[in-house]
Amino acid sequence: AQTVTQSQPEMSVQEAETVTLSCTYDTSESDYYLFWYKQPPSRQMILVIRQEAYKQQNATENRFSVNFQKAAKSFSLKISDSQLGDAAMYFCAYSTLSTGNQFYFGTGTSLTVIP
Amino acid sequence: EAQVTQNPRYLITVTGKKLTVTCSQNMNHEYMSWYRQDPGLGLRQIYYSMNVEVTDKGDVPEGYKVSRKEKRNFPLILESPSPNQTSLYFCASSTLLTTQDYWRDTQYFGPGTRLTVL
Repeated sequence: AQTVTQSQPEMSVQEAETVTLSCTYDTSESDYYLFWYKQPPSRQMILVIRQEAYKQQNATENRFSVNFQKAAKSFSLKISDSQLGDAAMYFCAYSTLSTGNQFYFGTGTSLTVIP
Repeated sequence: EAQVTQNPRYLITVTGKKLTVTCSQNMNHEYMSWYRQDPGLGLRQIYYSMNVEVTDKGDVPEGYKVSRKEKRNFPLILESPSPNQTSLYFCASSTLLTTQDYWRDTQYFGPGTRLTVL
């Protein structure tokens, strides 16, 4: 069974500082996708960043970047120059074609940004 | 505007009273999905569909039904709701390609439906 684990229920960061959110996953597949979603208080789900497992290069989107360690099955999200608007719940997710495109989400990390 | 709409946004009902939560997308997406979100459990997939008349169970399908008669609509049906189905529900849709880059497009989420079953 596929599982996604986020071991940090809550994190906090000072505004303008950098924070890293952790995510590990369990799979026997070699080809899959990993995602980080942001859920602000509005409850809307917003895609932050996406990583294809077949790509060795870590994905980046402006202030957001990932550290993808395929052998270790680790997929952490780094937020640089944190802003107040980054405060949200962050979910790590996994999907693969071999499981029929099922999506598996972690339990989330609540990020607080301190002014 | 590209969007996924869900109705109703809030619903309070009683045990056993059948209900339907509608989901519609205007992006001609093949893939549609339903999730429930519960505190401490993250999002769990209920059902998903890769095209019209094609549906598959996710992790927590018990007590739910879906149908995909039209590409744009993917209603979630609770035939006999129970209190343990009280949750926040999300519908989502995405392009689904058959190439290696099949998640090229993001999964668009609806605004959520807060369901309370008394």
